[in-house]
Amino acid sequence: SQQGEEDPQALSIQEGENATMNCSYKTSINNLQWYRQNSGRGLVHLILIRSNEREKHSGRLRVTLDTSKKSSSLLITASRAADTASYFCATDPLTTDSWGKLQFGAGTQVVVTP
Amino acid sequence: DSGVTQTPKHLITATGQRVTLRCSPRSGDLSVYWYQQSLDQGLQFLIQYYNGEERAKGNILERFSAQQFPDLHSELNLSSLELGDSALYFCASSPSGAAVNTGELFFGEGSRLTVL
Repeated sequence: SQQGEEDPQALSIQEGENATMNCSYKTSINNLQWYRQNSGRGLVHLILIRSNEREKHSGRLRVTLDTSKKSSSLLITASRAADTASYFCATDPLTTDSWGKLQFGAGTQVVVTP
Repeated sequence: DSGVTQTPKHLITATGQRVTLRCSPRSGDLSVYWYQQSLDQGLQFLIQYYNGEERAKGNILERFSAQQFPDLHSELNLSSLELGDSALYFCASSPSGAAVNTGELFFGEGSRLTVL
């Protein structure tokens, strides 16, 4: 079963605009991660935020985490055509038997037009 | 390049057949994870191995099995294939198999299986 649910399912923006996508999850977590997937390719790790962190930045990426609401957001600033991809949140559940089995959401498909 | 190698990249086979997918993790990574990605189910965790031992099981069918060898490469065996098994199968690796604060996974490019 999928732990994270991304919103929106799809997002179309123009170059230079910001893209924001949200992720909600159900159970307590150790950390939450965001991955990117170009069409038909493997997933690439973007950023990890731990449960005791509220905000993290990496280049043009900004991630927030609200554990009380069980939600996270990913902001991509000044988007480029090369940012066109699907973005997935993945949660590392805080359970004794999790053994790091990340649970992925359904993803947000982002299209950035020049 | 993540450093994780998966073969074959594409595979077309018939229902009822058996296939083996191979994964070589990043140098030094002890954990290997298998995921299935399909349009209707999304990314589903199948199974994890750590240093040769099975560590976690997800939504893996009984017709599927996996193992991790002493050289740390892993194979996913899919048997009695059905049309619904058509999907992208990803292997990922990480340095540890710790239960907490796993850190990022490094994904291969996937093996696309088409069952006709």
